[in-house]
Amino acid sequence: VQLVQSGAEVKKPGESLRISCKGSGYTFSHYWISWVRQMPGKGLEWMGRIDPGDSYTNYSPSFQGHVTISVDKSVSTAYLQWRSLKASDSALYYCARQSISGTDLDPWGQGSLVTVSS
Amino acid sequence: QAVLTQPPSVSGAPGQRVTISCTGSSSNIGSVYDVHWYRQFPGTAPKLLIYGNNNRPSGVPDRISASKSGTSASLAITGLQAEDEADYYCQSYDSSLSGVVFGGGTKLTVL
Repeated sequence: VQLVQSGAEVKKPGESLRISCKGSGYTFSHYWISWVRQMPGKGLEWMGRIDPGDSYTNYSPSFQGHVTISVDKSVSTAYLQWRSLKASDSALYYCARQSISGTDLDPWGQGSLVTVSS
Repeated sequence: QAVLTQPPSVSGAPGQRVTISCTGSSSNIGSVYDVHWYRQFPGTAPKLLIYGNNNRPSGVPDRISASKSGTSASLAITGLQAEDEADYYCQSYDSSLSGVVFGGGTKLTVL
């Protein structure tokens, strides 16, 4: 079981971005995918999650409206998307698998570093 | 500010026992929701250390344990080793926020 994320990105403020998280080794539609932000030197912040089975999503109030979580179950991949990046979006972003029957996150992807700078 | 409260740092000498607390409220830890713990080494992704309040995934030694009581939980590490030096996070679910919540993280230093 593993989650493999897309590579590091360097973007300018105002640009759009989509990062990915590909699952393998398990039935992708049977587990939620959560996204977690870690800003430099800071702790973990849950952003939201998606049910790959029906694309149902729920977001943390802190991130609602700022990002979009989507999925393409035909390629076992979840996505995290921004329409207009800000410098404050610079962070490390992790995806993690969450059991529909539980709330623990396991395993985690290796992380995708996003840098937003003019 | 994290929903769950952890001490920013703890420390102990090799061989000693340390505990890390995690305090929540009636809408998360104090409710029906489990507490989970993660360990993160610098430059790597977090890894599940304890799930369902007190269960160890395969490969986690039994000198690592956890418990939950009321609106709090704690992680205990006995026989402290240099390799335990890392950041530790607690996590639960919050019914008011309808989502996963984390503690702010605790840096464990082995003296």
